[in-house]
Amino acid sequence: DAKTTQPPSMDCAEGRAANLPCNHSTISGNEYVYWYRQIHSQGPQYIIHGLKNNETNEMASLIITEDRKSSTLILPHATLRDTAVYYCIVRVGNNAGNMLTFGGGTRLMVKP
Amino acid sequence: KAGVTQTPRYLIKTRGQQVTLSCSPISGHRSVSWYQQTPGQGLQFLFEYFSETQRNKGNFPGRFSGRQFSNSRSEMNVSTLELGDSALYLCASSTTLGTRGTEAFFGQGTRLTVV
Repeated sequence: DAKTTQPPSMDCAEGRAANLPCNHSTISGNEYVYWYRQIHSQGPQYIIHGLKNNETNEMASLIITEDRKSSTLILPHATLRDTAVYYCIVRVGNNAGNMLTFGGGTRLMVKP
Repeated sequence: KAGVTQTPRYLIKTRGQQVTLSCSPISGHRSVSWYQQTPGQGLQFLFEYFSETQRNKGNFPGRFSGRQFSNSRSEMNVSTLELGDSALYLCASSTTLGTRGTEAFFGQGTRLTVV
């Protein structure tokens, strides 16, 4: 699976959009981009994933560049409860298994 | 729908002992993965079981082992505990991956402290 690069930390004002970038310049054509987050002392929580089209769900939006070398997770209206470590993961979508390779993630601090 | 259940939540063991952790996946999920999380190494993949067979294995010593039962419940065992095995152990369950990919659902973890 391709490696990802994320900034170690970011701040965001409550109520504003949080835009979390991720670089995955070595991504392969069959690799998906996944985002998880981990609130302190809890298990990681799935947020969203995509292949090449932008995706949106009730939690967030995922914007993938046309060349697929980078992506941005957008939390449209960040709240204090969104303070967490956000992990960007790329992995092949097949039946080979469900192994996830976590990097360091981005520690998002939402401030009042 | 019940989530992933891990037991126990907290555990204190002595060096040299062994420990068994349990994970009950979401009903209908046949894939169970285990992860170790420490402040120094972050989240690291231990192994994955699918239909009672180990499908993938991370880079951990043989002291770490696991198994999956016919009802998809899984256990992991760590023998001859070392201080460095102190960590949060997380279990995740997933449906069959398929070509589109699917999300993993994590439990709350078992916090193991080795003294």
